Amino acid sequence: GENVEQHPSTLSVQEGDSAVIKCTYSDSASNYFPWYKQELGKGPQLIIDIRSNVGEKKDQRIAVTLNKTAKHFSLHITETQPEDSAVYFCAAKGGGADGLTFGKGTHLIIQP
Amino acid sequence: KAGVTQTPRYLIKTRGQQVTLSCSPISGHRSVSWYQQTPGQGLQFLFEYFSETQRNKGNFPGRFSGRQFSNSRSEMNVSTLELGDSALYLCASSPPGQGTHEQYFGPGTRLTVT
Repeated sequence: GENVEQHPSTLSVQEGDSAVIKCTYSDSASNYFPWYKQELGKGPQLIIDIRSNVGEKKDQRIAVTLNKTAKHFSLHITETQPEDSAVYFCAAKGGGADGLTFGKGTHLIIQP
Repeated sequence: KAGVTQTPRYLIKTRGQQVTLSCSPISGHRSVSWYQQTPGQGLQFLFEYFSETQRNKGNFPGRFSGRQFSNSRSEMNVSTLELGDSALYLCASSPPGQGTHEQYFGPGTRLTVT
């Protein structure tokens, strides 16, 4: 089945700086890659996603890039703000009949 | 539009008991998936239901089961609870459409097994 690795596990950045979180996947048939933000006591919130026929997608301060050849994808957050502090998860939907396979998460800390 | 709702939000059970968790998807969504979230294993896929049929299943023992009703509401059941079943159980619903993969999560049910 699919396996997703996510790095780093913790990321601390100064407010206003950029943050980058990286994930790799194993199943070359995976075709859908969402990113979720989870705040304390809440369920994961879908913030952006990308499909395998697209290399990059942007939504205001958030962007995701996908390199199918290398089987990795990244989340980029620019001009970070205190409300960006949360745990971020990447995920991949494999070519089989499984649900989403998630990375272990990145705890993003925005330092004032 | 209301989001995914899950009840109850918190639950404490004793080893050996069974538990039923409920999920109401976003209006119009017919696919419901369940995930288990623990600090050690992270988010793991349990199963997916569509039109009252289990479409996919993750790698969990048969003690974990689910069902979906004609109104798309779903329940999951865990029998003979073990301490290791303590987790946040998340439900997610997906909009209709061929090739639609987006999943929108509810707040979860925090299950504690003592």
